[in-house]
Amino acid sequence: AQSVSQHNHHVILSEAASLELGCNYSYGGTVNLFWYVQYPGQHLQLLLKYFSGDPLVKGIKGFEAEFIKSKFSFNLRKPSVQWSDTAEYFCAAINDYKLSFGAGTTVTVRA
Amino acid sequence: DADVTQTPRNRITKTGKRIMLECSQTKGHDRMYWYRQDPGLGLRLIYYSFDVKDINKGEISDGYSVSRQAQAKFSLSLESAIPNQTALYFCATSDPGQGASGYTFGSGTRLTVV
Repeated sequence: AQSVSQHNHHVILSEAASLELGCNYSYGGTVNLFWYVQYPGQHLQLLLKYFSGDPLVKGIKGFEAEFIKSKFSFNLRKPSVQWSDTAEYFCAAINDYKLSFGAGTTVTVRA
Repeated sequence: DADVTQTPRNRITKTGKRIMLECSQTKGHDRMYWYRQDPGLGLRLIYYSFDVKDINKGEISDGYSVSRQAQAKFSLSLESAIPNQTALYFCATSDPGQGASGYTFGSGTRLTVV
C-alpha cells in the first residue's frame, strides 16, 4: 500500500520567491501521484498528476512537479510565487483505487 | 450548481448527539467517499462506496456510519458525536476511468462538537 509524507508543515516566503515542497511516497507497485491545492475556505483542486512518461509534469497556475523514482519523490515547484498562492498543498497517491493524502503543507506568501 | 454538494456547510452540535452529513453529486459516478481533514494530518478516508450496494470502511471508520441511498447520495452519520470528531469533512466522487484525476470534491462541512 502507498503512503505519502510531506516534509514541510508550514512554509513562509515573499512574493517572487521560488517554492519547492517535498513529497515522498512508499513503494507499492504502480505509482500514480498528485498534488492538490486548497485555497482558504475552498475545496480541493487538482494541480497536476503523474501516471507515467515524462517525469517532469506541468500543472495549472505555473506549478510543476518532478517524479524521481530513485528517491521516491514527487516534489512540487513554482519559480516565482504570488500572494494568491497562499494555500494548503497536499501530495496524494493512489492506494488500492483510493486517494491517500500527505499531511499537507501550508504556504503563506507575503506581499 | 456544484457537482458535489454537501449539507450543512457548518454545524455545531453537542457531545452525544446524533448528526448526519449529507452529500449529493451530479457527476453520475458510481464511486463516492467521505474524508475528514484535521490540521497536520491531511485528509483521511472514513468510508467509501464503489456502487450503491457496496460500502467499505476506510482508515478511520470507528464512530461513523454511512448510507448510500442512491447513486447520487452518500450520507455520513455520527451516532454519538464526541469532541475529537470536530473536523472538516469532505465528500468526493470519482470516475474510475480517469484515475484520481477524476476525483471531484465537495466544499466541505465544518463540524464542531462541543
